[in-house]
Amino acid sequence: SQQGEEDPQALSIQEGENATMNCSYKTSINNLQWYRQNSGRGLVHLILIRSNEREKHSGRLRVTLDTSKKSSSLLITASRAADTASYFCATGPRQSGGSNYKLTFGKGTLLTVNP
Amino acid sequence: SQTIHQWPATLVQPVGSPLSLECTVEGTSNPNLYWYRQAAGRGLQLLFYSVGIGQISSEVPQNLSASRPQDRQFILSSKKLLLSDSGFYLCAWSVLGVFGANVLTFGAGSRLTVL
Repeated sequence: SQQGEEDPQALSIQEGENATMNCSYKTSINNLQWYRQNSGRGLVHLILIRSNEREKHSGRLRVTLDTSKKSSSLLITASRAADTASYFCATGPRQSGGSNYKLTFGKGTLLTVNP
Repeated sequence: SQTIHQWPATLVQPVGSPLSLECTVEGTSNPNLYWYRQAAGRGLQLLFYSVGIGQISSEVPQNLSASRPQDRQFILSSKKLLLSDSGFYLCAWSVLGVFGANVLTFGAGSRLTVL
């Protein structure tokens, strides 16, 4: 079963606007990651946030994590047409010893940025 | 630098025929290896993962199998394909990082259509 669920399923915005995508998950996690997938291609890792972190930045990306609500959000600021892609959250379960091999993905949010 | 190769990129097979998808990784040793499947409009489903040669963990019971004959080679197989096996298959690798974080690097994917 899917661990992460992204919301919304699809998002269409104009270039220059900000895009916010949300992810909810069910079980305790070691970390949460966001990936991007261009149509018909493999996924590319964007950013990782650990369970003891609340916010993380990378360029135009900002990720927040609320472990009490089991949710995360990805904000892309000043979006560009090239940001058009599907975005997935993925969770790594909290295992004994802190290691985890399985990464569980949600269904993704399809972001369309119109020029 | 590390690279991942996955082939074939596209495959059209009749129902009941065998399948072999291959994935190789270069530039790293003892990687964790993964096969995911992505059905149209859906998220990624973890099929198999391997933490070492000959060590395969199956996540979903089905008519697929995986093998790891060499450290950096991961093969997905089926003896008899079903219509429901159609999808986009993604190979990925990782090396556990600090605090047990498991960041995946994906191949370009193999699109399988079973007719």
